[in-house]
Amino acid sequence: GQSLEQPSEVTAVEGAIVQINCTYQTSGFYGLSWYQQHDGGAPTFLSYNALDGLEETGRFSSFLSRSDSYGYLLLQELQMKDSASYFCAVPEGSGANNLFFGTGTRLTVIP
Amino acid sequence: DAGVIQSPRHEVTEMGQEVTLRCKPISGHDYLFWYRQTMMRGLELLIYFNNNVPIDDSGMPEDRFSAKMPNASFSTLKIQPSEPRDSAVYFCASSSGGSGNTIYFGEGSWLTVV
Repeated sequence: GQSLEQPSEVTAVEGAIVQINCTYQTSGFYGLSWYQQHDGGAPTFLSYNALDGLEETGRFSSFLSRSDSYGYLLLQELQMKDSASYFCAVPEGSGANNLFFGTGTRLTVIP
Repeated sequence: DAGVIQSPRHEVTEMGQEVTLRCKPISGHDYLFWYRQTMMRGLELLIYFNNNVPIDDSGMPEDRFSAKMPNASFSTLKIQPSEPRDSAVYFCASSSGGSGNTIYFGEGSWLTVV
């Protein structure tokens, strides 16, 4: 089975940097995805790491260490609109076509 | 592209009634997923289809739930009879498949069973 652990809540100040960690236990590993979900909205894709290292997309970066079964999402220059829930997810199932989601980290950005 | 389209956006129904949720995936996507989100259980996969064929329905909670995909552009999730514990947000999503492919979610159907 799959297991993903991430903090339930994080609070950070506008303009600061925040890191959301995710540790995983999977039977077969293909990569780690991150999704953002605003209250009342749909999950939307942020990033995917298949290999070790850092992937940067604007203010957001995602890191993966396969040897440590660990990844994180890094949000820089935080803005109020970044207040949302962030989910790490791993592909699973035959062909790894669907995603198993973690329980999510609720990020609150304060002025 | 219009994205994944779901209907209804909100539904309130009485216990015991039949509920049908509808989904139109993104054109060209071969995979369609139904997820359910609740505070207690988070975001969980109910069933997914590949080329209109159900591949994994192990997440369907019980026989009251059924899903169909009669063609590449339409899917339904039906609950009959509905119960209060079915109250949740039901997301339909689609993708091109593969471990690195993005899954695109619809805006969800917010179901309340009273």
